[in-house]
Amino acid sequence: GENVEQHPSTLSVQEGDSAVIKCTYSDSASNYFPWYKQELGKRPQLIIDIRSNVGEKKDQRIAVTLNKTAKHFSLHITETQPEDSAVYFCAASRSQGNLIFGKGTKLSVKP
Amino acid sequence: EAGVAQSPRYKIIEKRQSVAFWCNPISGHATLYWYQQILGQGPKLLIQFQNNGVVDDSQLPKDRFSAERLKGVDSTLKIQPAKLEDSAVYLCASSFNTGLSEKLFFGSGTQLSVL
Repeated sequence: GENVEQHPSTLSVQEGDSAVIKCTYSDSASNYFPWYKQELGKRPQLIIDIRSNVGEKKDQRIAVTLNKTAKHFSLHITETQPEDSAVYFCAASRSQGNLIFGKGTKLSVKP
Repeated sequence: EAGVAQSPRYKIIEKRQSVAFWCNPISGHATLYWYQQILGQGPKLLIQFQNNGVVDDSQLPKDRFSAERLKGVDSTLKIQPAKLEDSAVYLCASSFNTGLSEKLFFGSGTQLSVL
């Protein structure tokens, strides 16, 4: 079955810097890759997703890139702000399949 | 639109006791999921329903966990008897359909502590 590895487990950046979180997946049939943000004590919320027919997607300060050959995808946050501090989860699934989540990255943005 | 509703928000029980969680998905969402999130880890799928039928329960510990979605709307997840390792947040999520990879909407979860 699918296995998703996520790195790093913790990431600390200064406000205004960029943050990059990387994930690898094992199932070459996976074709959907969402990223969820979970603030302390709150529900996970989708922030961006990408499908396998696209190499990159951007939404304001957030972007996701996908390399199908290498089976890895990354989340890029530019101009980080304190409110970006949270745990970020990547996930992967195939069509009609279940989302398999990574273990999460705790991002701390220092003012 | 109203989000995914879950109750209770917190539950503390002793090992070997029983516990039940309730979930009401977003109106019109055919697919409902129960996830277990152990502290410091990502959510792990326990069971997926499409309307009132089970799509995937391969990771549900069926000797102690059970779930139902009788009318294809609300769902309950039960643990009987609970073990210490069941301490986790139980997240319910829903999506409009399961035909294509879909955005999941999560509830706030039930935090279970087994003592």
